[in-house]
Amino acid sequence: SYVLTQPPSVSVAPGKTARITCGGNNIGSKSVHWFQQKPGQAPVLVIYYDSDRPSGIPERFSGSNSGNTATLTISRVEAGDEADYYCHVWDSSSDHWVFGGGTKLTVL
Amino acid sequence: EVQLLESGGGLVQPGGSLRLSCAASGFTFSSYAMNWVRQAPGKGLDWVSGITGSGSNTFYADSVKGRFTISRDNSKNTLFLQMNSLRAEDTAVYYCAKEEGPTPSYYFDFWGQGTLVTVSS
Repeated sequence: SYVLTQPPSVSVAPGKTARITCGGNNIGSKSVHWFQQKPGQAPVLVIYYDSDRPSGIPERFSGSNSGNTATLTISRVEAGDEADYYCHVWDSSSDHWVFGGGTKLTVL
Repeated sequence: EVQLLESGGGLVQPGGSLRLSCAASGFTFSSYAMNWVRQAPGKGLDWVSGITGSGSNTFYADSVKGRFTISRDNSKNTLFLQMNSLRAEDTAVYYCAKEEGPTPSYYFDFWGQGTLVTVSS
């Protein structure tokens, strides 16, 4: 089955740039989606189709995907960005949705 | 406004059954695939099952295949998850999630607030 690998944690100072990676075999050939989840809340879509932003998501959130790594980039990080972030892909070989293990973003 | 409201969670003994529901509103329900995703306490997101907009095709994670059944009633805008032979490891918050398309492979654009299932004796 397809596996997505994320770092368990990323720390960043306010105003700096956070990069959260999602590794998978030839993930560049798949569409990657990203969710933000704050404690006690449902996940919220922040990036879809590698780099598209839903309405209401700040331009500070961006995504890229190439080779074996997809990346969620959060520019000018704010305290309110502190959350868990998950990457997500559809694996057509197994007809399964797959989530990465999640990355806890800490704003120092 | 899209709304998804899960219900049916609770405490059940190992080996028992439970049926979850997800009432949808604010969109043409039959036009979109729907999914169930769970999250064990302190753990990450875990896709459980999906169903096409028409209900003709279903998909399951290996961990629940043969024990869980996803279905939908498009006349009542409601998604279901019948869970049988429950195990302690099925304990989780269960979310329903709308997909932006009639079949899997699009993306999940809206989620409900979840319902807690606890499997314990």
